[in-house]
Amino acid sequence: AQSVTQLDSHVSVSEGTPVLLRCNYSSSYSPSLFWYVQHPNKGLQLLLKYTSAATLVKGINGFEAEFKKSETSFHLTKPSAHMSDAAEYFCVVRGPDTGRRALTFGSGTRLQVQP
Amino acid sequence: NAGVTQTPKFQVLKTGQSMTLQCAQDMNHNSMYWYRQDPGMGLRLIYYSASEGTTDKGEVPNGYNVSRLNKREFSLRLESAAPSQTSVYFCASSELEGFWSNQPQHFGDGTRLSIL
Repeated sequence: AQSVTQLDSHVSVSEGTPVLLRCNYSSSYSPSLFWYVQHPNKGLQLLLKYTSAATLVKGINGFEAEFKKSETSFHLTKPSAHMSDAAEYFCVVRGPDTGRRALTFGSGTRLQVQP
Repeated sequence: NAGVTQTPKFQVLKTGQSMTLQCAQDMNHNSMYWYRQDPGMGLRLIYYSASEGTTDKGEVPNGYNVSRLNKREFSLRLESAAPSQTSVYFCASSELEGFWSNQPQHFGDGTRLSIL
């Protein structure tokens, strides 16, 4: 079975500085990995996904993530934070199991952006 | 494009009352899901429907039932609400479910349910 760990529950950055949200995963097989963002009182929105085509994945709103198999990591980065990036971010792993074991969510990282 | 629509957005129930949460998607997706979100726990799968006519239990199915009414609609029912079911409930859909599927899920805006 797969699992995912988001290493920070809260991250605070200043506007215009880089963002790093850390995610480690475990999976018996080559997983599919996703990052979702959740703004207050909203559902989850897909930022990007890794599906083995390329290790560096570009997503929406300037975010990108790098898949590192040797480190079992899939960290989310952005060169310059914007106030609108303040939200909760979820790392999600999907393995080969069907149904209820197929999608595993991390516990989330809340990103604060200070002016 | 509406995407995934959930109704109601908010609801307060008394212990023991019943309620059905509604979900509809307009993306012609085959698979639909119900999750609950509790603080510090990410999302946990309650039930899912891989395709029209099928449903299966997720990680936390106790106290819930589901109905896949047609390809568009997937409802979640609480027969006898308990305070432990106070949560935010999300419906999601994806094009495909199953082995090696890498399809992302599309989420509704959630139903905030409080049980007193």
